[in-house]
Amino acid sequence: AQRVTQPEKLLSVFKGAPVELKCNYSYSGSPELFWYVQYSRQRLQLLLRHISRESIKGFTADLNKGETSFHLKKPFAQEEDSAMYYCALGIEKLTFGTGTRLTIIP
Amino acid sequence: KAGVTQTPRYLIKTRGQQVTLSCSPISGHRSVSWYQQTPGQGLQFLFEYFSETQRNKGNFPGRFSGRQFSNSRSEMNVSTLELGDSALYLCASSDQVNYGYTFGSGTRLTVV
Repeated sequence: AQRVTQPEKLLSVFKGAPVELKCNYSYSGSPELFWYVQYSRQRLQLLLRHISRESIKGFTADLNKGETSFHLKKPFAQEEDSAMYYCALGIEKLTFGTGTRLTIIP
Repeated sequence: KAGVTQTPRYLIKTRGQQVTLSCSPISGHRSVSWYQQTPGQGLQFLFEYFSETQRNKGNFPGRFSGRQFSNSRSEMNVSTLELGDSALYLCASSDQVNYGYTFGSGTRLTVV
């Protein structure tokens, strides 16, 4: 069975400080992993997909198969990063974590 | 490109009634998925359609059903509504090439 764990429900970080949102997964096959973000009063939108190894809005995420993790990182937090972040696993069927609400303190 | 469009945006229904929600995917996207979002359970997968065929189904009772039309538009139906069905229902579409789904704004269903 697929499972995604985001251990932090809430995370507060000062502006300019590094950010790390944790995501661990459970899956027997080769995982397809994503980070989605939901800004206040906006729709859920795709932030990153591990397959493309891209950097969006300064965020990166590296798949660590040994630790079954896909943590989201940004070296310097900005106020506009305040949002709800969801880690998701799958292609045709997405299994979401419970989400982490990130608040950037000015 | 127009995004994923869901109608209606809001619905209020009474227990026992049935409801149909509609989703128009991004042009060219053939995969459409539905999710239920609630504060208690988070985002849960309902079902996924590709070329009018249901490929995947989540762990929801048979009261929840869906279909996809030849133009990729999709509908989901919930019969015999219960108070616990109150949620934000999200539709998402994918082109199955670039991976990752594009979500609509959702339909907020309130059952009273």
